[in-house]
Amino acid sequence: AQSVTQPDIHITVSEGASLELRCNYSYGATPYLFWYVQSPGQGLQLLLKYFSGDTLVQGIKGFEAEFKRSQSSFNLRKPSVHWSDAAEYFCAVAKRRLTGGGNKLTFGTGTQLKVEL
Amino acid sequence: DTGVSQDPRHKITKRGQNVTFRCDPISEHNRLYWYRQTLGQGPEFLTYFQNEAQLEKSRLLSDRFSAERPKGSFSTLEIQRTEQGDSAMYLCASSLVDSIYTDTQYFGPGTRLTVL
Repeated sequence: AQSVTQPDIHITVSEGASLELRCNYSYGATPYLFWYVQSPGQGLQLLLKYFSGDTLVQGIKGFEAEFKRSQSSFNLRKPSVHWSDAAEYFCAVAKRRLTGGGNKLTFGTGTQLKVEL
Repeated sequence: DTGVSQDPRHKITKRGQNVTFRCDPISEHNRLYWYRQTLGQGPEFLTYFQNEAQLEKSRLLSDRFSAERPKGSFSTLEIQRTEQGDSAMYLCASSLVDSIYTDTQYFGPGTRLTVL
């Protein structure tokens, strides 16, 4: 079964500092990869996704992520964090399908980001 | 495009009562997913529909849970005889599957269920 590990439960950074959130997955083949953000009491907003092609993907709000096959990782980065980025971040994977079928997401346990002013 | 909507946003019920949640997906999206999220955890898959057909159910979906998508548009999730362990955020997502079988799921705001 596929699994997702987000090793950092909490991260605190200063506003303006760079950010990297780690995500590792366990799966027999390269899955589809996603990062979502969740603000308190809210649903999930898609930040970015990787299906194929360029391993460095750009997302919304200035976020980017890099897929590294050799490390089974899909880390999220932002060069300069804003106070409004404080939220919980979830990495998710879905099975790569060659035929039709659902793409149910398997999520990590999340990383809570706190931004110090 | 108004996004995925869910109703109600909050539900408090007593143990043993039945509850029903509604999800309205993004218009024209052919897939609809339900997830459950407990405190401190990521969402867990419950079930999904392709149009009106329910094609996969998680083992998390006990026989007290039932989901429908009668006309391939909105969906309902019913929990019968609620238990305290059912307290969670129930999230709905919709997507439009493309010809290479990838879909990007867009989530609603969720329904937070509290069972007393």
